Amino acid sequence: DAGVIQSPRHEVTEMGQEVTLRCKPISGHDYLFWYRQTMMRGLELLIYFNNNVPIDDSGMPEDRFSAKMPNASFSTLKIQPSEPRDSAVYFCASRPQGFNNSPLHFGNGTRLTVT
Amino acid sequence: KNQVEQSPQSLIILEGKNCTLQCNYTVSPFSNLRWYKQDTGRGPVSLTIMTFSENTKSNGRYTATLDADTKQSSLHITASQLSDSASYICVVTINTGTASKLTFGTGTRLQVTL
Repeated sequence: DAGVIQSPRHEVTEMGQEVTLRCKPISGHDYLFWYRQTMMRGLELLIYFNNNVPIDDSGMPEDRFSAKMPNASFSTLKIQPSEPRDSAVYFCASRPQGFNNSPLHFGNGTRLTVT
Repeated sequence: KNQVEQSPQSLIILEGKNCTLQCNYTVSPFSNLRWYKQDTGRGPVSLTIMTFSENTKSNGRYTATLDADTKQSSLHITASQLSDSASYICVVTINTGTASKLTFGTGTRLQVTL
């Protein structure tokens, strides 16, 4: 199993540009989560999906952020327009359905720098 | 105030020494507590999970404890190795009956040196 795959690993962009982060969860996992990690605030949940349906997006900072999961094997997190304060590491994680004690399986993250 | 507090924020120890990381939480109703290890440039990886009825659980050189009465957990690392250098994140799950919610600590950054 290749684990959760995220791309790109690093993204550097200018303020105002659109940024799209991508995630492929582990096959068979029904839950997919997007997190943002900063030194000051640690890991923060942005949104999560169950069976491709967004369940809780209360962590999405503002309308500039959007996430989609068109099928069970792919999700995107889009920021438009990007701002310097969006600079952080963005993680995607997945876990199987029906196992509340199962751990989250994280990808290796996308480090976003907005200049 | 963070509902999951970890201490110390950072720690430097010599290879071969033991160390203990602390996690205090206030969130409820408690379901479980998990420790994750996060290597630099990588995503967090689960080390161990503690449920309400468990006091101690070991995973190799890692031993986690839980005191559900005082809402405290610790992660003890024995005979540290250079590869233990990482951030250790405490995550508490609450279960409201209709949904589970994870609350993350901000982590302890451990550096093991020669």
